[in-house]
Amino acid sequence: GDSVTQMEGPVTLSEEAFLTINCTYTATGYPSLFWYVQYPGEGLQLLLKATKADDKGSNKGFEATYRKETTSFHLEKGSVQVSDSAVYFCALIAGGYNKLIFGAGTRLAVHP
Amino acid sequence: KAGVTQTPRYLIKTRGQQVTLSCSPISGHRSVSWYQQTPGQGLQFLFEYFSETQRNKGNFPGRFSGRQFSNSRSEMNVSTLELGDSALYLCASSASGSRQETQYFGPGTRLLVL
Repeated sequence: GDSVTQMEGPVTLSEEAFLTINCTYTATGYPSLFWYVQYPGEGLQLLLKATKADDKGSNKGFEATYRKETTSFHLEKGSVQVSDSAVYFCALIAGGYNKLIFGAGTRLAVHP
Repeated sequence: KAGVTQTPRYLIKTRGQQVTLSCSPISGHRSVSWYQQTPGQGLQFLFEYFSETQRNKGNFPGRFSGRQFSNSRSEMNVSTLELGDSALYLCASSASGSRQETQYFGPGTRLLVL
């Protein structure tokens, strides 16, 4: 079945460090890919998305490129801030209406 | 435009009871999806409704049910609660449920079963 695998956390970085969170997927056809972020005590917020191969999603300094050849959608940011501390979820929709399939989540902690 | 709202935000129940959670989507959105979030199983899809019809269902027992009203508001019900039903229940809405659309999530209802 369809699935998403993302790197385990926690990831601990100093402010202004470079961030990469790896995400790979297994899906039939051509899924849409998403990164969601969850701050403590809150629901999920869409960070970025890509709906076809080679698309690059970007938002708030975060970027991810849909790589069909490697079935990957890695999240990157050039310079993280303390306010980026949160849990990040990679997700896909491969078929059925609005059925998001999530990875396990990666907790990011950024220290001053 | 107001976001997705969920009520109540917190709930404590005992085993065997039933519970109803409510979700009001963003105005104009007709698709509502429900997810369960637990530390052990992560985020799992429960079901999706569009125009009062369930279009998709996850792998949960029949104790979990839902419905959608003509104004797109949705409720989910869990009967005969078990300890393992303790979780954060999230609802999300989108305009039509197309997989290219963004799903907007509410803050969730945190359910504790004692």
